[in-house]
Amino acid sequence: ETGVTQSPTHLIKTRGQQVTLRCSSQSGHNTVSWYQQALGQGPQFIFQYYREEENGRGNFPPRFSGLQFPNYSSELNVNALELDDSALYLCASSLQGALEKLFFGSGTQLSVL
Amino acid sequence: GESVGLHLPTLSVQEGDNSIINCAYSNSASDYFIWYKQESGKGPQFIIDIRSNMDKRQGQRVTVLLNKTVKHLSLQIAATQPGDSAVYFCAENDSGGGADGLTFGKGTHLIIQP
Repeated sequence: ETGVTQSPTHLIKTRGQQVTLRCSSQSGHNTVSWYQQALGQGPQFIFQYYREEENGRGNFPPRFSGLQFPNYSSELNVNALELDDSALYLCASSLQGALEKLFFGSGTQLSVL
Repeated sequence: GESVGLHLPTLSVQEGDNSIINCAYSNSASDYFIWYKQESGKGPQFIIDIRSNMDKRQGQRVTVLLNKTVKHLSLQIAATQPGDSAVYFCAENDSGGGADGLTFGKGTHLIIQP
């Protein structure tokens, strides 16, 4: 088990709503990354936060946004939910630049109806 | 666009046999590669990594081979066990690409038969 915890584990929303997902990073890790994993696919990089700032982003629209707090925990916010946003959202923590020490949480399963 | 992909969606092997999972990548600037294992209901778990200045790296029961000429990566698992059943992903990173994110392939489901 990694020390990365995510909440909630499952969530059901309707199209157009907004959602906030939460992540507590492993102790000592200062960087948090978020990934979206659609059913049967590999995870896709959404963005990364370091020192409370977004410092890298994948190919996701602005309605995907995030926050990192002084204790390094993080939130992922998605506005105007679409059906295609249904996926497993994974949080991963690491030390900055240490991809080989990237630890993933078990994810939040989001269903958009 | 640039992507990392896998050749087979499912691989079935007998317990005790060796397995080889393959991966092709297209980003010639990728310089770091990782294999992950994902079990049902869990996040990806690091197995082994390799940098582009190497062509082979060994771990416990696992070996990763990198062929930069043909942009091919493979994961060899020796003496497979029931606990090896999972989906395996290769992932790559371009350290000069700015965003410190990984690009994952679609995954291979490894099934260990008794």
